[in-house]
Amino acid sequence: EIVLTQSPATLSLSPGERATLSCRATQSVSSYLAWYQQKPGQAPRLLIYDASNRATGIPARFSGSGSGTDFTLTISSLEPEDFAVYYCQQRSNWPITFGPGTKVDIE
Amino acid sequence: QVLLQESGPGLVKPSETLSLTCTVSGGSINSHYWSWIRQPPGKGLEWIGCINSGITNYNPSLKSRVTISVDTSKSQFSLKLSSVTAADTAVYYCARGYRGSNYDYWGQGTLVTVSS
Repeated sequence: EIVLTQSPATLSLSPGERATLSCRATQSVSSYLAWYQQKPGQAPRLLIYDASNRATGIPARFSGSGSGTDFTLTISSLEPEDFAVYYCQQRSNWPITFGPGTKVDIE
Repeated sequence: QVLLQESGPGLVKPSETLSLTCTVSGGSINSHYWSWIRQPPGKGLEWIGCINSGITNYNPSLKSRVTISVDTSKSQFSLKLSSVTAADTAVYYCARGYRGSNYDYWGQGTLVTVSS
């Protein structure tokens, strides 16, 4: 099973700041990595798939990069609605696995 | 617009079988990976398994207890999880896999509590 680790666990920032979230895999997942945003009481929302492709309707301030074992989600300028938990997920190997999440909260 | 809606009991007794159904509307169930994912209260996401063109894949940690099936005539797919314990208490989501297992559409989730 591929294990994903995310860092930091919590990121405290202010609106307008840049957020950089990291996801690392225990073995290569090629580019088969997705990012999700989850707000309290809601289902996760797909942001990025295949490492760098924005999902439909996702604002351009969200971008993804990386390949192999190291990936980054960047939010260029935080909007109030971006404060949430972010998960990475790999689909390279069965079983599908998710990272433990990074919480982006308001400083 | 694709919509997914979970349905099933919100309370299951220990050792019994948890059964949920996901109804898909606004799109065909004859393609894509249809998956179940769960989230214990206050914790992260755990993939349970999926079905695509009749072929299933399950999380090895749950494989001995899980069955996922599809009823294309009703545009539904289902989850059965046997011999449940309190550790199976979670919000259960159904989701559609886009280009494999990128989950672009989700149900709103249903909380299933395992308790006597």
